[in-house]
Amino acid sequence: NAGVTQTPKFRILKIGQSMTLQCTQDMNHNYMYWYRQDPGMGLKLIYYSVGAGITDKGEVPNGYNVSRSTTEDFPLRLELAAPSQTSVYFCASSYVGGRSQHFGDGTRLSIL
Amino acid sequence: AQSVTQPDIHITVSEGASLELRCNYSYGATPYLFWYVQSPGQGLQLLLKYFSGDTLVQGIKGFEAEFKRSQSSFNLRKPSVHWSDAAEYFCAVGRDSNYQLIWGAGTKLIIKP
Repeated sequence: NAGVTQTPKFRILKIGQSMTLQCTQDMNHNYMYWYRQDPGMGLKLIYYSVGAGITDKGEVPNGYNVSRSTTEDFPLRLELAAPSQTSVYFCASSYVGGRSQHFGDGTRLSIL
Repeated sequence: AQSVTQPDIHITVSEGASLELRCNYSYGATPYLFWYVQSPGQGLQLLLKYFSGDTLVQGIKGFEAEFKRSQSSFNLRKPSVHWSDAAEYFCAVGRDSNYQLIWGAGTKLIIKP
């Protein structure tokens, strides 16, 4: 039972490059989330989705885009990487919005 | 406004000693309550959750938490910590009517040998 799978685990980008962080879940969860976690800080919600085709902004959406074409997948796109986007990114999913979330292992992203 | 407060940024405990991590929340109604643990370099793992009923809930790894409605608190406890408990602990609250959880800022637990 894989749960929530994130790829890649580590990535170094140059300023201005673009990339997509992949997230897939096999629990048939409707809700999916993207968080960023900066050193010593808590979780900041970037985007969330309540089902295929439905996404909305969280607390810190600037510089990011998402799509949700299937229940399983929720990729996060960085269009023009900036040093301020250096962070650890977590994808999570839940069956119902206010209930327990299942997390992936994270993607550690450095932008130089 | 809905919020979760974890007053202690860091806590240092000797191995074998007892532990209590504090969590207070501000919410319109009694929310669902959660504690998560994040080991270094890892994702977050659910330790325990409270939805309703018995206010003392048991979780994994020997942890328990007690919901106190009058104090709007959901403190995490462990009678005897092990070096492997060194991690960051997050409290969160939610309801079915909300799309997301409200997260505390986390408490980093340091274990002294």
